[in-house]
Amino acid sequence: EIVLTQSPGTLSLSPGERATLSCRASQSVSNNYIAWYQQKPGQAPRLLIHGASSRASGFPDRFSGSGSGTDFTLTISRLEPEDFAVYYCQQYDGSPGTFGQGTKVEIK
Amino acid sequence: QVQLQESGPGLVKPSETLSLTCSVSGYTVRNVFYWSWIRQPPGKGLEWLGGFYGIGNTHYDNPSLKSRVTISLDTSKNQVSLSLSAVTAADTAVYYCTRSVAPKYYLELWGQGILVTVSS
Repeated sequence: EIVLTQSPGTLSLSPGERATLSCRASQSVSNNYIAWYQQKPGQAPRLLIHGASSRASGFPDRFSGSGSGTDFTLTISRLEPEDFAVYYCQQYDGSPGTFGQGTKVEIK
Repeated sequence: QVQLQESGPGLVKPSETLSLTCSVSGYTVRNVFYWSWIRQPPGKGLEWLGGFYGIGNTHYDNPSLKSRVTISLDTSKNQVSLSLSAVTAADTAVYYCTRSVAPKYYLELWGQGILVTVSS
């Protein structure tokens, strides 16, 4: 089973600042089969990024994903009030598909 | 617009079987797509339970659940079902139904989730 470790656990930032979230895999993820999901309180997760860098429909281009192998990054270039949420990475290369423990982006 | 809606009992007794249904609207469920169930204990992260792939009627499950998970597709009712046997308090969670194009694909669509509490 591929274990994903997200860091930091919590990111305290102000609107307008840049957020950089990390997701590290215990072994190489083939084909960059990494997705990122955004979850707001009381809501289901929502697909944000797939294939490590392809943005899902409905999300603005301030969201970007990058990385390969075992190290992946989600970047939010300039935080908007609606971006404060929990973000999970997931690998869908191995079975079972596994998730990171999440990074909470909170308002400073 | 395709929507997924989970339903079922919100309270299940220990050792019993948890049974949930995911109703699909805006799309006729056929033997394509890959349907998974994900759960999230209160205040915690996400766990993939298992999936069902219509092509080949192939069932996938998370080994950590020790074969307690059964997922099935009912095309006549446009529903996906989850059964989780021998539940304990550790199975208390919000359960989500999801859809992917195929196994080894990202979870493109999620239901709103249903909280199931295991308690006597």
